[in-house]
Amino acid sequence: QQQVRQSPQSLTVWEGETAILNCSYEDSTFDYFPWYWQFPRESPALLIAIRPVSNKKEDGRFTIFFNKREKKLSLHITDSQPGDSATYFCAASVGDNSKLIWGLGTSLVVNP
Amino acid sequence: ETAVFQTPNYHVTQVGNEVSFNCKQTLGHDTMYWYKQDSKKLLKIMFSYNNKQLIVNETVPRRFSPQSSDKAHLNLRIKSVEPEDSAVYLCASRLGNQDTQYFGPGTRLLVL
Repeated sequence: QQQVRQSPQSLTVWEGETAILNCSYEDSTFDYFPWYWQFPRESPALLIAIRPVSNKKEDGRFTIFFNKREKKLSLHITDSQPGDSATYFCAASVGDNSKLIWGLGTSLVVNP
Repeated sequence: ETAVFQTPNYHVTQVGNEVSFNCKQTLGHDTMYWYKQDSKKLLKIMFSYNNKQLIVNETVPRRFSPQSSDKAHLNLRIKSVEPEDSAVYLCASRLGNQDTQYFGPGTRLLVL
């Protein structure tokens, strides 16, 4: 059973549009939610993360919206750029973060 | 240079052979991980070590064995590889009181 689910599996937007990537989870004890991005032929790298004490985290064009009651979060990428084309992973962990539970990823393509 | 280093970058071998992959981090971290990423980009944690001690050991075939000589090194040995072992093996590290995992460039394994 996948504990962290992502949708859509793939997403294509035009340059300048807002891309919305969704994530949901099962375990209500999760208390840390990072988003990693992975460019082709590269390794994952941390993009932005949130803890449930907040319902929003913003970093430039990237914003996480968090809904603890519904156990959902989303990553909004405003003014999408072709350089944002990558696979985005939502992950979750609890406690000392020794183990991240990963979603299956959303492949984002931003067309110029 | 401080980073996570992996060798080799790429390895081709025959079914039944033994392979070893090396990982070294110069970030001063105390926790290291091995992940397997398949052709669909699915990320699966295999092992995690903290200060040379195994703390996470997911259900992986017994032919996989991690080896840690010190907290900066975590190697992976696969005895008698099988075709389904073809994947990218990613090493990552983290400092115990911080959340971010830093990934190495990966070792791509192809089993013929």
